[in-house]
Amino acid sequence: EIVMTQSPGILSVSPGERATLSCRASQSVSYHLAWYQQKPGQAPRLLMYDASKRATGIPARFSGSGSGTEFTLTISSLQPEDSAIYYCHQNEEWPQTFGQGTKVEIK
Amino acid sequence: QVQLVESGGGVVRPGGSLRLSCAASGFTFSTHALYWVRQDPDKGLEWVAVISYDGTDKFYADSVKGRFTISRDNSRNTVSLQMDSVRGEDTAVYFCARTPGHDFWTYFDLWGQGALVTVSS
Repeated sequence: EIVMTQSPGILSVSPGERATLSCRASQSVSYHLAWYQQKPGQAPRLLMYDASKRATGIPARFSGSGSGTEFTLTISSLQPEDSAIYYCHQNEEWPQTFGQGTKVEIK
Repeated sequence: QVQLVESGGGVVRPGGSLRLSCAASGFTFSTHALYWVRQDPDKGLEWVAVISYDGTDKFYADSVKGRFTISRDNSRNTVSLQMDSVRGEDTAVYFCARTPGHDFWTYFDLWGQGALVTVSS
């Protein structure tokens, strides 16, 4: 199965600063990569799909890029409400797999 | 309101059975494939089972194949997961999740709030 590796494990960023999260696939997933945000006690929420398409209602400060094996989620100006765990998810190949998550903390 | 609401979680003994349900509202249920995805602190997120929009196709993760059964009732807007012969490693929060349409090998655009299943003697 395709292994998804996210880095860093924890990211501490000041409000208004840029946050850059990485996701690496053990083999190519083309552009079939999604990002989710999960806050404590809540369900994951879709942020990005097909690597760079923003889901409905997601603020423009969130953007995604990459293809193949290297992907990035960028939060251009971190807001306090962005404190959460972020997961990447490949749906290129069976079985679908998720990264282990990056926790974004507000400094 | 567009939402998925799980129910049926709880404590179950190893080897026992439990049935999870997920009720949908606010959208045309019969046009979406549905998943069960579970999450535990050690293994993270793992898809468990998927059922096509019309219920004709079902697929399972190797870890649950032969023990879990996914089903849906499009007249009642519900999807269920029958969990038999449960094991300790099945302990997790179980989410139902929707795909954007008929395609079931894709991302999840809506998730329920989750149901905790604890396997313990």
